[in-house]
Amino acid sequence: QQQVKQSPQSLIVQKGGISIINCAYENTAFDYFPWYQQFPGKGPALLIAIRPDVSEKKEGRFTISFNKSAKQFSLHIMDSQPGDSATYFCAASRNTGKLIFGQGTTLQVKP
Amino acid sequence: DAGVIQSPRHEVTEMGQEVTLRCKPISGHNSLFWYRQTMMRGLELLIYFNNNVPIDDSGMPEDRFSAKMPNASFSTLKIQPSEPRDSAVYFCASRSGGGTDTQYFGPGTRLTVL
Repeated sequence: QQQVKQSPQSLIVQKGGISIINCAYENTAFDYFPWYQQFPGKGPALLIAIRPDVSEKKEGRFTISFNKSAKQFSLHIMDSQPGDSATYFCAASRNTGKLIFGQGTTLQVKP
Repeated sequence: DAGVIQSPRHEVTEMGQEVTLRCKPISGHNSLFWYRQTMMRGLELLIYFNNNVPIDDSGMPEDRFSAKMPNASFSTLKIQPSEPRDSAVYFCASRSGGGTDTQYFGPGTRLTVL
């Protein structure tokens, strides 16, 4: 029940396209859902996060869509750029406790 | 702000040796997390501290692993004795108090046990 399942494992998108990464969780007590971005040789960095009281959050080209009833949330990257090529992790936590991370998605944006 | 500082950045050691990884969290942050990242298991939380006190160490693999936080600006993760399966990238992250959830990760230590 503590797992966060992420898909796909890898994704190739053309420049200008939309990248979509999905995550599903089981624990309905989770109240914080962030996405982290990791470049090779670097630590993960917070990209965008959402709480379950809203269904969508947008920051620039990055949007989180949240479906509480389905226990799913997704990251959409609009107008994908080669600089977006990285590994993306979804995560979930409860009451500012520990983060449970998904397995990660390696995104490659082709020029 | 210097961010989370980890040392060493790379460590190569032989099986059976003791390894100590070090972390300096962001000044003023009161939570500190140790993670391990491998291809097979992804990002795993090993242990986390609030106000220098260990809160959850359920992710520590076995007794060979130990972590300490003697003060608010320093933490260590020790592996003794090390084994080849401990080879991974170890990250330290810190978080400020006040109800925020954002964790700030350090650059990681790549550990190779031969």
